[in-house]
Amino acid sequence: GESVGLHLPTLSVQEGDNSIINCAYSNSASDYFIWYKQESGKGPQFIIDIRSNMDKRQGQRVTVLLNKTVKHLSLQIAATQPGDSAVYFCAESFSGGGADGLTFGKGTHLIIQP
Amino acid sequence: DAGITQSPRHKVTETGTPVTLRCHQTENHRYMYWYRQDPGHGLRLIHYSYGVKDTDKGEVSDGYSVSRSKTEDFLLTLESATSSQTSVYFCAIKGTLGAFFGQGTRLTVV
Repeated sequence: GESVGLHLPTLSVQEGDNSIINCAYSNSASDYFIWYKQESGKGPQFIIDIRSNMDKRQGQRVTVLLNKTVKHLSLQIAATQPGDSAVYFCAESFSGGGADGLTFGKGTHLIIQP
Repeated sequence: DAGITQSPRHKVTETGTPVTLRCHQTENHRYMYWYRQDPGHGLRLIHYSYGVKDTDKGEVSDGYSVSRSKTEDFLLTLESATSSQTSVYFCAIKGTLGAFFGQGTRLTVV
């Protein structure tokens, strides 16, 4: 079936640097994407979402970029802080307003080095 | 937590016993979901609901059933627990501003 994947299982960055986490999706019908952050022992936490009619969306210190041509999604975290250390998942849905569940990638573990 | 409460948070049960996990929301959302999370598999959809008494199967529904008699409650039942159902279970709701998860239930089947 269709799936969403991440390019790297682990990403190590220096504190204060910018982080870029990538995601490739395979379902060209997907029209809604979400990035989640999951800290140890907790549930996934919504960070930011984007619909397929947009290329870029910004939040507080985070930016999501969507390239529909190559089916690629990225999450940029500015000025990475120790509290950003977590596993990050991208998720897709092909019916953003309907009941269909999200399909998740396996996650990227972001490690912050002091 | 977007008004989502899962109970219990932890449970150990024996093989062959029935187990019910509860998800309660205070946001009056129509759509609710049950996922399981396992190393190497990520989050996989078990069942979902699109309204009271309206449910459907997800990717890994075998061995699970669900019920939704009220908007706020979505129950997941393992009819006869097996060791392969040892996992962390997450409930989620989906609204107009995204999909949000509960804190999870860690279930161990021994």
